[in-house]
Amino acid sequence: GDSVTQMEGPVTLSEEAFLTINCTYTATGYPSLFWYVQYPGEGLQLLLKATKADDKGSNKGFEATYRKETTSFHLEKGSVQVSDSAVYFCALSANNNAGNMLTFGGGTRLMVKP
Amino acid sequence: DAGITQSPRHKVTETGTPVTLRCHQTENHRYMYWYRQDPGHGLRLIHYSYGVKDTDKGEVSDGYSVSRSKTEDFLLTLESATSSQTSVYFCAISERLAGYEQYFGPGTRLTVT
Repeated sequence: GDSVTQMEGPVTLSEEAFLTINCTYTATGYPSLFWYVQYPGEGLQLLLKATKADDKGSNKGFEATYRKETTSFHLEKGSVQVSDSAVYFCALSANNNAGNMLTFGGGTRLMVKP
Repeated sequence: DAGITQSPRHKVTETGTPVTLRCHQTENHRYMYWYRQDPGHGLRLIHYSYGVKDTDKGEVSDGYSVSRSKTEDFLLTLESATSSQTSVYFCAISERLAGYEQYFGPGTRLTVT
């Protein structure tokens, strides 16, 4: 079945450091890929997405490129802020009866220190 | 923010008691989902619905049932709660015309003692 693997956290960075959170996936067909962010005490929010190979999703300074050849969708940001501290989830979807059934990775906690 | 509410937001219950969690949406989205979130597992799908009275099982459906009698409400029932069902439960909605993106509710923290 489909699966998503993320680097384990926590990832601890200083403010303005460069961020990479690795995500690789296993799936049949051509899934869409997502990054969700969860701030403390809240639900998940969609951060960015890519629906086909070589697409780049971007939002709020975060970027991720859909790499079919390496089955990866790594999340990057050039300069993190304290307010980026959260848990980040990589996910994939395959359209089916469920409309958009998501398979999630285990999540990576990011802690940014001033 | 998508109009999704969950109730209750926090609940403590005893082993063996029935529990019902409610998800309510005001977006008229067709698809609704229940997930549970546990450390190291990300979110795992419990059940989903693709229309009124149309539901199906997800990855971790044992011990849970669902019902959807109206577009806006999706109920998750634990018939006889166990300690292994202590978790944070999230509801999500999606719609084809919205690109199937899933929007999540604020979550319900359930503790089974």
